[in-house]
Amino acid sequence: EDQVTQSPEALRLQEGESSSLNCSYTVSGLRGLFWYRQDPGKGPEFLFTLYSAGEEKEKERLKATLTKKESFLHITAPKPEDSATYLCAGGGSQGNLIFGKGTKLSVKP
Amino acid sequence: GAVVSQHPSWVICKSGTSVKIECRSLDFQATTMFWYRQFPKQSLMLMATSNEGSKATYEQGVEKDKFLINHASLTLSTLTVTSAHPEDSSFYICSAEREGKETQYFGPGTRLLVL
Repeated sequence: EDQVTQSPEALRLQEGESSSLNCSYTVSGLRGLFWYRQDPGKGPEFLFTLYSAGEEKEKERLKATLTKKESFLHITAPKPEDSATYLCAGGGSQGNLIFGKGTKLSVKP
Repeated sequence: GAVVSQHPSWVICKSGTSVKIECRSLDFQATTMFWYRQFPKQSLMLMATSNEGSKATYEQGVEKDKFLINHASLTLSTLTVTSAHPEDSSFYICSAEREGKETQYFGPGTRLLVL
């Protein structure tokens, strides 16, 4: 069964304190590994798509990496405005997305 | 680019009434649109996948007669919750996949409260 697991469930950081979020996946025929950011009461905002092991993508303070079993979202020197829930999703062979439960990130000033 | 809108953003209705939610891709054509439901502190659960001009494919456990999906054009899909009940109260989010691309872009969501 296709599955995506994110850890930790919640992460509290001080402003400037770098860290990483983990996404472990088991998705047959993976079409891509997707990262989204979701603010409370809003729809997910697309961040990255990774397609092959070893691939990396960056956007401002965020960098996503991919291995054959995991993806990491590295946050460098976070700011309070980076506070959100970060969702990881595996692209299934049927064109669907299998979402993890997300990591709720709080960055304190 | 890749903007998806939903309307309404929130709706309150009485039990037994039907509610229609619209999902539009504003600056691209979407051959495939998806409907998700999200309960508090839970992740997104796919309800159905719709392709323009054809019947939607529903996920297991989702009643197709209760959640009617129409995808009449490449920029518009609608979800109608028929005979809504309090347990249908949730956050409904649509997404659209740009033709030829594999990334889904999400709408802002519609919060439904059934009294």
